[in-house]
Amino acid sequence: GAGVSQSPSNKVTEKGKDVELRCDPISGHTALYWYRQSLGQGLEFLIYFQGNSAPDKSGLPSDRFSAERTGGSVSTLTIQRTQQEDSAVYLCASSRRAVGVTTYEQYFGPGTRLTVT
Amino acid sequence: AQTVTQSQPEMSVQEAETVTLSCTYDTSESDYYLFWYKQPPSRQMILVIRQEAYKQQNATENRFSVNFQKAAKSFSLKISDSQLGDAAMYFCAYRRDDKIIFGKGTRLHILP
Repeated sequence: GAGVSQSPSNKVTEKGKDVELRCDPISGHTALYWYRQSLGQGLEFLIYFQGNSAPDKSGLPSDRFSAERTGGSVSTLTIQRTQQEDSAVYLCASSRRAVGVTTYEQYFGPGTRLTVT
Repeated sequence: AQTVTQSQPEMSVQEAETVTLSCTYDTSESDYYLFWYKQPPSRQMILVIRQEAYKQQNATENRFSVNFQKAAKSFSLKISDSQLGDAAMYFCAYRRDDKIIFGKGTRLHILP
């Protein structure tokens, strides 16, 4: 079946512009995660959705970052007034929801490489 | 709060040799899951192996195996018969319910 898809794969934008990054999770996966990976670094957690709600937004770095999810499926991550330090790869992952002691691995998309000039 | 630590930013191994990547974590929970993910230059994250904390037996997937020491909160990855295609970033991850934490990764180089 289809995996997690993300679009665009690459985005170059000018400082101060807004950008929208899209994530299409695997069908039936209720949990969706956004991560940021700066060059050569690990994964920085941004936000997590369970269905359409976001119980954990603790990783969003500033109020310029927001995310939404509609219909329990597609999610968009929006960065307003982009700054050069926002340049990174933004990864999305989806998973089935953990039930009791059963948990499931995340499946990752290929990421969006954002470059702010 | 839970943390995951990978103390080796980079490692190198000769092709066909064995290498072990270290991971330690901190948690007060008794039920959780641990994962190793591989990220090649294509940047696609690929699940390598998973371990349920309630299982004492170490997980194995072909050339990949783990040494899970629950009391020590250690979860190392052993790669046997290293191949050029194993060159990648390797991330250790901890999961409890829907909360997932990643280590900072270890970059593995394979020397021909």
